[in-house]
Amino acid sequence: LAKTTQPISMDSYEGQEVNITCSHNNIATNDYITWYQQFPSQGPRFIIQGYKTKVTNEVASLFIPADRKSSTLSLPRVSLSDTAVYYCLVGENTGFQKLVFGTGTRLLVSP
Amino acid sequence: KAGVTQTPRYLIKTRGQQVTLSCSPISGHRSVSWYQQTPGQGLQFLFEYFSETQRNKGNFPGRFSGRQFSNSRSEMNVSTLELGDSALYLCASSPGVDWSYEQYFGPGTRLTVT
Repeated sequence: LAKTTQPISMDSYEGQEVNITCSHNNIATNDYITWYQQFPSQGPRFIIQGYKTKVTNEVASLFIPADRKSSTLSLPRVSLSDTAVYYCLVGENTGFQKLVFGTGTRLLVSP
Repeated sequence: KAGVTQTPRYLIKTRGQQVTLSCSPISGHRSVSWYQQTPGQGLQFLFEYFSETQRNKGNFPGRFSGRQFSNSRSEMNVSTLELGDSALYLCASSPGVDWSYEQYFGPGTRLTVT
């Protein structure tokens, strides 16, 4: 599975847009890019997944450049409740459900 | 639709004992995976089950085992507990077996080994 690199932590203020970039230089042709969010003492929660270009849902957007060696999770107008750890995962659709989590990015949103 | 449930939520055990954790997946989900989360090692994959068969296993000693029942409910067992087994154990279920399917995590079982 391709290894990912993310910033360890980020700070933001309420109402701002937050962009978290993930590097995955060794991404393979069949790899998907998935982001999960985790609050303290809770299980991770799926945010968004993409393969290429841009994906948007009700909570976030995922931007993937043509070379797919990186991706950016964009959270519009964050609130205090967005304070959490965000994980970027890259994996191949091999028929297995094994998720390999990195260290994640700890986002702190302040008033 | 009810989410993934895990029981018990909290557990305190003594070194050398064994423990069994239970996971009930979302109705209709046949894939169940287990993860261990510790401050030092982060989230680590334990094993994955689908239709009562273990399909994948992480790099954990044989003291860690699991099984899945015909109703997709799953249990994991840790024998001869060690202090380092103290962790949050998370169960996740999924509607499909492909990696692209979203995994739905439960709230976890907090195991403390003294």
